[in-house]
Amino acid sequence: DTEVTQTPKHLVMGMTNKKSLKCEQHMGHRAMYWYKQKAKKPPELMFVYSYEKLSINESVPSRFSPECPNSSLLNLHLHALQPEDSALYLCASSQEEGAMIETQYFGPGTRLLVL
Amino acid sequence: AQSVAQPEDQVNVAEGNPLTVKCTYSVSGNPYLFWYVQYPNRGLQFLLKYITGDNLVKGSYGFEAEFNKSQTSFHLKKPSALVSDSALYLCAVRDEGKGTYKYIFGTGTRLKVLA
Repeated sequence: DTEVTQTPKHLVMGMTNKKSLKCEQHMGHRAMYWYKQKAKKPPELMFVYSYEKLSINESVPSRFSPECPNSSLLNLHLHALQPEDSALYLCASSQEEGAMIETQYFGPGTRLLVL
Repeated sequence: AQSVAQPEDQVNVAEGNPLTVKCTYSVSGNPYLFWYVQYPNRGLQFLLKYITGDNLVKGSYGFEAEFNKSQTSFHLKKPSALVSDSALYLCAVRDEGKGTYKYIFGTGTRLKVLA
């Protein structure tokens, strides 16, 4: 099973709302990622969690708050977003095995629209 | 810094003809290169990767890629294109540095296979 699931598939929110995106994998992967993809652009890394600890934060604004409650789950909490934050948010995971270069497996994404 | 370039925004090919999607890379150490495909409104699907070894890498759905060190290229190929291959193709390189699992993506090439 190489599946990463994401919920919801679509989300519309106002600038004063608080919402959360959820990502789940049951492959035993210990690294999980959040990417943001704007239309006609490549994905841009936001956060990396390694063994449930935040290891990379790509200078993302604090209105995005990641959380990794356990090794299978990754959340992205959203608060006071701006319309320019509208994008496809992709989650990915990979197995960490020392120096081995592991493949990242992506979920289908959550398409977010901020009004 | 690591980077990849995809010089073509779009490639059109007739069904049944061979296809090539180009990618060139710039790295300071060993290149770890990946190809992903993204169908409309979907997440990324892994096709293949080059870590070391044979220069011809075989991947999913009949795709293969040729690693060429002298030309710093990693072009994606398929002998006979299908209409269902129409999608966005993304080349990526893994960033350098210990403990980092960051991909740098190219801008993507949109493949259109014409019936």
